Amino acid sequence: EPEVTQTPSHQVTQMGQEVILRCVPISNHLYFYWYRQILGQKVEFLVSFYNNEISEKSEIFDDQFSVERPDGSNFTLKIRSTKLEDSAMYFCASKAGHGGYTFGSGTRLTVV
Amino acid sequence: DQQVKQNSPSLSVQEGRISILNCDYTNSMFDYFLWYKKYPAEGPTFLISISSIKDKNEDGRFTVFLNKSAKHLSLHIVPSQPGDSAVYFCAASAGGGNKLTFGTGTQLKVEL
Repeated sequence: EPEVTQTPSHQVTQMGQEVILRCVPISNHLYFYWYRQILGQKVEFLVSFYNNEISEKSEIFDDQFSVERPDGSNFTLKIRSTKLEDSAMYFCASKAGHGGYTFGSGTRLTVV
Repeated sequence: DQQVKQNSPSLSVQEGRISILNCDYTNSMFDYFLWYKKYPAEGPTFLISISSIKDKNEDGRFTVFLNKSAKHLSLHIVPSQPGDSAVYFCAASAGGGNKLTFGTGTQLKVEL
């Protein structure tokens, strides 16, 4: 069964450093998303991406965040200057059209 | 912003019995509802969904019921199995391709 692949599974970074979280969505999917889950809290929407541009973003997704789909297969989330409160599980998801979303297994980001 | 609510943080059920997980929503624009199962340090795994044009959808041991007038949906698992023990998230979207809004989750424990 097709799956969404995320790398790395765990990333530790120092406060103020830049991180790039990588995702390979399912190949024929059209919609791409990033969500995050802070420990003990609910899964929160960050950003959606369709037709090579951001279609929606949440308040969390400020100027420190950016997304790219550089080569038609990878979908990346960059955090320019990480803060302690960015520590969370980050999930990539993709979707064909109508129907279910498929989530990756997540990247645990720890900012120290 | 509690557009999707799961008021029971935990539920304990005996093996073989029915598990009923509940979810309420406030946004009348939501037209697609999903249930996800999540284990610690893993991504949400899609279980079952329902469109707002239906009031019931079944898939094996899982049935989702939607009551649009009450803005309420429920997930029934019967019979419950120990492997069903996980956190269950209700999620909703408004329009195809749009972001998911998640509830806070219900921890289901199925006991022998």
